[in-house]
Amino acid sequence: EAQLVESGGGLVQPGGSLRLSCAASGFSFSSHWMSWVRQAPGKGLEWMANIKPDGSHKNYVDSVRGRFTISRDNTKNSLFLQMDSLRAEDAALYYCVRDISWGFDSWGQGTLVTVSS
Amino acid sequence: QSALTQPASVSGSPGQSITISCTGSSSDVGGYNYVSWYQQHPGKAPKFMIYEVNNRPSGVPDRFSGSKSGNTASLTISGLQAEDEADYYCSSYSYITSATYVFGTGTKVTLL
Repeated sequence: EAQLVESGGGLVQPGGSLRLSCAASGFSFSSHWMSWVRQAPGKGLEWMANIKPDGSHKNYVDSVRGRFTISRDNTKNSLFLQMDSLRAEDAALYYCVRDISWGFDSWGQGTLVTVSS
Repeated sequence: QSALTQPASVSGSPGQSITISCTGSSSDVGGYNYVSWYQQHPGKAPKFMIYEVNNRPSGVPDRFSGSKSGNTASLTISGLQAEDEADYYCSSYSYITSATYVFGTGTKVTLL
C-alpha cells in the first residue's frame, strides 16, 4: 500500500521561503507522476503542480508558477516543493499526492503552512 | 484555471439516491474523459472514489457511479448511507496553455 508522509511545514513571514518534503513508500515511486495539492483552512482543494516520473517535465498552476518549484529524488523516494515569495493566500495544508489514471489515488496527511508576520 | 462549479450542498434521506454535478468548460470536463471524484470527511485526507469519468478504484462501493454529458460531470450515490455524509470534490484534467488539473468548488452531502 502506498504511503506518503509530508514534512517541512511551519510559520513563515510574507515574502519568505519554505521547502516541503514528501517521503514515499510502498510503491514504485520512480514510475509515477506526483503532485502537490493544497487546501486552505475551511476551503476547497487546489492542485498546485506535478512532475513526470523522471523529473524531466513539470506543470504548475498559474498562481504559483515562477514562485514554487517542484522536484524529486528517485534515489530517495522523495518529492519536494520549494516555495518562495510566499503570500498570505498560500497558507494551507499541503498534500503530497500520487497521480494515477488522470486522478490522485494516494494522499498523505498533509503539512500545514502558515504565512503571517 | 477557474474552479469547476459544484452545488454547495446536497441532502438526502438514508436509502435515497443523490446526484452531484460538476460543471466546467470545453478546456477541461468537456474536452477530456479525465474526470475524477473525491470524498473527504472532516479532518481527513481526500479519498479517491471515481476516475476517468465512471471507473471505481478497488474497494469503492458500487453505490458510487460517475457520468458525463458535455461540460458537466456527475457523481451519483445510490442507497445513501450515514458514512456517505462528507464533502465531495470533482477534478478534471485541463489544457489551455499548459497541462494542469482543476478541482471543483466542493459539495457537502448531508443526510436528513
